[in-house]
Amino acid sequence: QSALTQPRSVSGSPGQSVTISCTGTSSDVGGYNYVSWYQQHPGKAPKLMIYDVNRRPSGVPDRFSGSKSGNTASLTISGLQAEDEADYYCCSYAGRFVFGGGTKLTVL
Amino acid sequence: QVQLVQSGAEVKKPGASVKVSCKTSGYTFTTYYLHWVRQAPGQGLEWMGIMNPSGGDTNYAQKFQGRVTMTRDTSTSTVYMDLSSLRSEDTAVYYCARSQLPYKWFDPWGQGTLVTVSS
Repeated sequence: QSALTQPRSVSGSPGQSVTISCTGTSSDVGGYNYVSWYQQHPGKAPKLMIYDVNRRPSGVPDRFSGSKSGNTASLTISGLQAEDEADYYCCSYAGRFVFGGGTKLTVL
Repeated sequence: QVQLVQSGAEVKKPGASVKVSCKTSGYTFTTYYLHWVRQAPGQGLEWMGIMNPSGGDTNYAQKFQGRVTMTRDTSTSTVYMDLSSLRSEDTAVYYCARSQLPYKWFDPWGQGTLVTVSS
């Protein structure tokens, strides 16, 4: 069982928005502003999409945004595109690193 | 550009050890931390530990303490992850990943190394 809880799957149509939640505790997500999100396509290495809760690395489209409220972080993808279909993982520093179980995003 | 290139796939028997390498390039080796993260087939990501290439100090996840050793070779800008007493549950893709600070995000990641443990 993963330390952070994510929905197993979410889906949306092209152009729509989806939000993936990541629930932890006050010892991880709620206690640090060091939440990051990773996108992983099948057979590929994870790719950083969001860091420090809501900051976007250079090259990541601004359709991707992050937020946090209490012990829950969220990744929102707006204007869904076919290439967004992938697995998404949240991660939080907690004295060590803990990951969510991953969410499969399907673009219908 | 920054690159982390890992060694090739391995097949090991239960009880054996495996050593995976991660050769870095495109930046000053001693100024970023290196982590190891693994992913069992069809499963999520699991953090194993961190190394500071500058001094060689390490911090391992409790689950792997006693079985994992992370080392580095500064002359080749390469870090190594040695996992001993392998069991079938250690079958996974092992990734190295870089971070600017020990508590910060992972970017970039190596391409991954599949380690299969089977009798």
